[in-house]
Amino acid sequence: AQRVTQPEKLLSVFKGAPVELKCNYSYSGSPELFWYVQYSRQRLQLLLRHISRESIKGFTADLNKGETSFHLKKPFAQEEDSAMYYCALRGNSGNTPLVFGKGTRLSVIA
Amino acid sequence: GAVVSQHPSRVICKSGTSVKIECRSLDFQATTMFWYRQFPKQSLMLMATSNEGSKATYEQGVEKDKFLINHASLTLSTLTVTSAHPEDSSFYICSARVGARGYGYTFGSGTRLTVV
Repeated sequence: AQRVTQPEKLLSVFKGAPVELKCNYSYSGSPELFWYVQYSRQRLQLLLRHISRESIKGFTADLNKGETSFHLKKPFAQEEDSAMYYCALRGNSGNTPLVFGKGTRLSVIA
Repeated sequence: GAVVSQHPSRVICKSGTSVKIECRSLDFQATTMFWYRQFPKQSLMLMATSNEGSKATYEQGVEKDKFLINHASLTLSTLTVTSAHPEDSSFYICSARVGARGYGYTFGSGTRLTVV
């Protein structure tokens, strides 16, 4: 079964501090992993995906198949990073939807 | 970029009535639309997958007679909550795949349904 686990509901950090949002997944094959972000009063939007190996807004995430993790990291948090972050998984067969974790609310304190 | 327009953004209805939620792809053709439901402080839970011109595929536990999905064209998918009850109150979000390989998913802005 496909499952995405985000163990933290809320993460509060001070501005300038490093951030790590944890995500673990369960999937029998080779999934595609994503991070989505939802800022206040805005729709869900893609932040980054593991296959592109890019850094967006200073965030990076590395897929660790051994640990089945896809943690989101940023070295220096900014106030505008405060939002709801969802880790999501997509199976690699056919027309599959995204499976979401429960989300982590990041609050960056000035 | 690819945009999905979802309406209404907020609706309040009486128990027993039906509510239709529309999602339109504005500048691309959405052959597949995913419908999610989100309870307060919970994650997005997939309800059903609709493909243009065919019947929707519902997730386990989702009543297909209660949540009617129609995907009659490549730019419009609708979700109708029939005989709504207070427990149907939730946030409903549609999502469409973008691109041939489906790496991109674009989301509607969501519909807050309150059944009184």
